[in-house]
Amino acid sequence: DAKTTQPNSMESNEEEPVHLPCNHSTISGTDYIHWYRQLPSQGPEYVIHGLTSNVNNRMASLAIAEDRKSSTLILHRATLRDAAVYYCILRDILGNEKLTFGTGTRLTIIP
Amino acid sequence: SAVISQKPSRDICQRGTSLTIQCQVDSQVTMMFWYRQQPGQSLTLIATANQGSEATYESGFVIDKFPISRPNLTFSTLTVSNMSPEDSSIYLCSVRQGTAYGYTFGSGTRLTVV
Repeated sequence: DAKTTQPNSMESNEEEPVHLPCNHSTISGTDYIHWYRQLPSQGPEYVIHGLTSNVNNRMASLAIAEDRKSSTLILHRATLRDAAVYYCILRDILGNEKLTFGTGTRLTIIP
Repeated sequence: SAVISQKPSRDICQRGTSLTIQCQVDSQVTMMFWYRQQPGQSLTLIATANQGSEATYESGFVIDKFPISRPNLTFSTLTVSNMSPEDSSIYLCSVRQGTAYGYTFGSGTRLTVV
């Protein structure tokens, strides 16, 4: 599986936008970029995924670099409830179905 | 997206015993996945369970230690056998529904072995 690199931790102020980076320099053409988050004492929660184009949903936006070697998860207005570990994961649609988790980014929201 | 009910939510078990964790999904799914999350760590995939076939285990996990059943398209169990304190972890099941959706995870089973 292609690897991703994320900062171990980030902090952001409440009600401000948050940009969570992910590097995936060895991404292949059939790798989808997935983002999940894990709130304290809960299972991971799907946030968003994309292949080449930027994606938006009610939770977040995903900005994908033109060369696809990096991506950024954007939380438009952070709340205290967004404090979680965020995982950037590549999944090859031609490979098996499994998700391989890295260490993720622990996001702290400052009130 | 699918809704997963995972039981028990937590348990404290004696070493040498076994615990069976249940995962019930509210819709039919082809594949179910079992993960382990050790304290303070990320998730590690244990195995993939397809209905009607034996589970596929990841490196470092064996069927004798983590037997899995998948009797139908909405249910699976993971047994943690002959437990030791090193098995103290959170165990989670997960499913995926279609290419347009992500994966859904259960809330996990927090296991403590004493």
